[in-house]
Amino acid sequence: QKEVEQNSGPLSVPEGAIASLNCTYSDRGSQSFFWYRQYSGKSPELIMFIYSNGDKEDGRFTAQLNKASQYVSLLIRDSQPSDSATYLCAAEGSQGNLIFGKGTKLSVKP
Amino acid sequence: NAGVTQTPKFQVLKTGQSMTLQCAQDMNHNSMYWYRQDPGMGLRLIYYSASEGTTDKGEVPNGYNVSRLNKREFSLRLESAAPSQTSVYFCASSEARLAGAQETQYFGPGTRLLVL
Repeated sequence: QKEVEQNSGPLSVPEGAIASLNCTYSDRGSQSFFWYRQYSGKSPELIMFIYSNGDKEDGRFTAQLNKASQYVSLLIRDSQPSDSATYLCAAEGSQGNLIFGKGTKLSVKP
Repeated sequence: NAGVTQTPKFQVLKTGQSMTLQCAQDMNHNSMYWYRQDPGMGLRLIYYSASEGTTDKGEVPNGYNVSRLNKREFSLRLESAAPSQTSVYFCASSEARLAGAQETQYFGPGTRLLVL
């Protein structure tokens, strides 16, 4: 069964620090990977997607993909209390659907 | 442009009752999805519709049926609700998969369902 694994956390970082969120996936056929942010009681919202090995940067966010190690990460620089949320990693499934991890809860302390 | 909308926002059912969750998108997307989210379980796919007129089972389809009414609307029906179906239900949509395109999914606000 295709799986996406994440550490459930909580991950606690001080304001201004770098938060590092990690994810591994089981299906070597997955080509695209997504990071969603979900605030408590709200729906997931897309932060970034990545499909090439290496880094992809968007503002304070950097996604990293290593297909050989089947590893995806999200770095959040200059973390803010407003970044406190659950971060969901997802991998593209074989039928175009997404396979989600259970999410990592991030807490940024002022 | 409302994106993905869902109704109702909240619902309480008694065991054995039936109901339909409605979902609509105005982004002209071809694919639509229904997920449930339970504490500690993440998002699990119930059913999806790759295009108008087609539906397929996801990871947890038992106890549910779906209808892709047209390109905009995708409904989820619980024929005989059970307490195990207490959950938050999210509808999502995406463009059809094209060569080199990413299957970004956009989510609705969710329906919170409690089955007593």
